[in-house]
Amino acid sequence: GAVVSQHPSWVICKSGTSVKIECRSLDFQATTMFWYRQFPKQSLMLMATSNEGSKATYEQGVEKDKFLINHASLTLSTLTVTSAHPEDSSFYICSADSLAGTGELFFGEGSRLTVL
Amino acid sequence: QKEVEQDPGPLSVPEGAIVSLNCTYSNSAFQYFMWYRQYSRKGPELLMYTYSSGNKEDGRFTAQVDKSSKYISLFIRDSQPSDSATYLCAMRNNDMRFGAGTRLTVKP
Repeated sequence: GAVVSQHPSWVICKSGTSVKIECRSLDFQATTMFWYRQFPKQSLMLMATSNEGSKATYEQGVEKDKFLINHASLTLSTLTVTSAHPEDSSFYICSADSLAGTGELFFGEGSRLTVL
Repeated sequence: QKEVEQDPGPLSVPEGAIVSLNCTYSNSAFQYFMWYRQYSRKGPELLMYTYSSGNKEDGRFTAQVDKSSKYISLFIRDSQPSDSATYLCAMRNNDMRFGAGTRLTVKP
C-alpha cells in the first residue's frame, strides 16, 4: 500500500508554545489530506479536511485559529497546534487520499502530543 | 442513529478461533468499504478494501459487503495473538465515516 509519513511521532512541549506536525505522502500524490484526533480507547475524530492549494474545511467544534492547517503541495500537509494547552494533548493522525481516486485512504503513523 | 454502528467489544478469543467483526450503516450512498487494524499508539493500517458489494479474500482475512442489508463483515481465520488490535470499519462516498472500532484480544 501507499506510504504516509508523519513527523514527529512524539513531541512534548510547554503550555503556550506552538507545535507543527507534518504529514507527507511518500510515493503518491494526495489531492486531499485529513487530520484526526484520537483519545485513548476511542475512535478517530475528524478535525479537518485539507485540499492542496485551498483553505482547510474544519469540522464543527474544531477551532481553526488554534489548529492551523496548510496543504502547500500534493505531498505535504501540516497541522500547527497554536498556543498549546494540556487539554490539547492527544494522538493526532493524518490520512491521505490518492489522486488515483480509488477511494482508499492511507494513514500516517500518528503523532503523540503531550503538553506540559 | 449513528451513520456507522460497530460494537466496540472488547472481544476475546482463543488462538486459532475464527473471528467475525461487523458493522452496519445507514447511508446507502457509501460505495467504498474498508477495514483498518490499529495497534496501540499507532496509525490505522489498511487491511481490506472493497468497492460495492461482494467478498474479498486476502490470506486469513475475508471481507464481505452486503449493500442490500447495509452490513459489512471482516472474518479472521486461524486467529493469532498478533491479531490483537482494534479493528475499524470505514466507508465512504464523498465523506468518510468510521465505526467506533472493536478491540480484539487473541489469547495464546
